[in-house]
Amino acid sequence: DAGVTQSPTHLIKTRGQQVTLRCSPKSGHDTVSWYQQALGQGPQFIFQYYEEEERQRGNFPDRFSGHQFPNYSSELNVNALLLGDSALYLCASSAAGTIAKNIQYFGAGTRLSVL
Amino acid sequence: QQQVKQSPQSLIVQKGGISIINCAYENTAFDYFPWYQQFPGKGPALLIAIRPDVSEKKEGRFTISFNKSAKQFSLHIMDSQPGDSATYFCAASTMSGGSNYKLTFGKGTLLTVNP
Repeated sequence: DAGVTQSPTHLIKTRGQQVTLRCSPKSGHDTVSWYQQALGQGPQFIFQYYEEEERQRGNFPDRFSGHQFPNYSSELNVNALLLGDSALYLCASSAAGTIAKNIQYFGAGTRLSVL
Repeated sequence: QQQVKQSPQSLIVQKGGISIINCAYENTAFDYFPWYQQFPGKGPALLIAIRPDVSEKKEGRFTISFNKSAKQFSLHIMDSQPGDSATYFCAASTMSGGSNYKLTFGKGTLLTVNP
């Protein structure tokens, strides 16, 4: 049973560029949440997708956008990259219609470096 | 506004000792309190979790103690081993207010267990 998978593992971009990160949820999961983890900090919630719609959003600017596909996989897009966007981006999945709907499993993350 | 405060920031324990990490929360709507363990270069892995209707939960060497009136909870690692050396995050979530179980994390505790 594959867990949450994210790609790519590492990414280097320059300021002003755009980036797309990808996530495949754990088998049987239909909800995907994205988090940003700066170095030495706890993960910060970006947004959550369920039924292909953004269900909730954290305190992040509109430069951060996402998408969920019919197979429940998800993308995180960041436009006009800033140096401060350098972080580990984590994807977490959960199963909305189950008793375990509050349990989130994380992928290994994508390390984004903005130069 | 930091809704979950975690301490200490770092902790050094001898092999066989007890590691204790504390967290305090502000939002009384939180109803799920997980602890995650994160190794360098990896995503957070769910370790153990508790709901506020119980005061303690034990799984192997890991125990969560929960004090609802004080809005505090703690992780105890008994017989700490060098392999436990990692960063530990407490978190909290709720379904109420449209939060849909987004996780709010503490800033993390770097645990080092010396052999």
